[in-house]
Amino acid sequence: GQNIDQPTEMTATEGAIVQINCTYQTSGFNGLFWYQQHAGEAPTFLSYNVLDGLEEKGRFSSFLSRSKGYSYLLLKELQMKDSASYLCAVRLLTGGGNKLTFGTGTQLKVEL
Amino acid sequence: GAVVSQHPSRVICKSGTSVKIECRSLDFQATTMFWYRQFPKQSLMLMATSNEGSKATYEQGVEKDKFLINHASLTLSTLTVTSAHPEDSSFYICSARRDREGYGYTFGSGTRLTVV
Repeated sequence: GQNIDQPTEMTATEGAIVQINCTYQTSGFNGLFWYQQHAGEAPTFLSYNVLDGLEEKGRFSSFLSRSKGYSYLLLKELQMKDSASYLCAVRLLTGGGNKLTFGTGTQLKVEL
Repeated sequence: GAVVSQHPSRVICKSGTSVKIECRSLDFQATTMFWYRQFPKQSLMLMATSNEGSKATYEQGVEKDKFLINHASLTLSTLTVTSAHPEDSSFYICSARRDREGYGYTFGSGTRLTVV
């Protein structure tokens, strides 16, 4: 089966940097996504990695190591509005559907 | 661009009735749509993959006779929860993949279903 793990909860201070890790064991890997989700809302796209390395996008960066089955999302200059759930999702090659399988999600709380 | 509209956003229904949820891609064609459900403080669980003009592919453990999926056109997929029970109460979210797009997935705004 597919296994995607993230820490359940994290707490960080406004203005600081936080790293959210994601480890995966899947078959047919075809890219990894990070999404942000506020309670009761749809997930919003943050980043995508398909090759090893770091992708930077403003305050958010994401890293991927395919050989290690590992990714992280780095959030810099944390703001209170960054308090949300962060979801790691792996895209699997499946008969053309390319479905996303989501990790357990990390609830981030940003404090003053 | 790449907007997915999901309707209704909230619905309350009585046990034993059926509820239909619509997912529309407004400005692009979606050959594939996905349906997820999410319980409070949990992640998204894929229920099924919906392909235009063909039968949906259900994930293991999802009852296809209970969760009817129809993808009749390139812009519309529907999920019908039949004979709903309180345990079906959940947040249902659809996602559409753009045709010939590299990797884009767009999510609908979700439907909060409460069965009483």
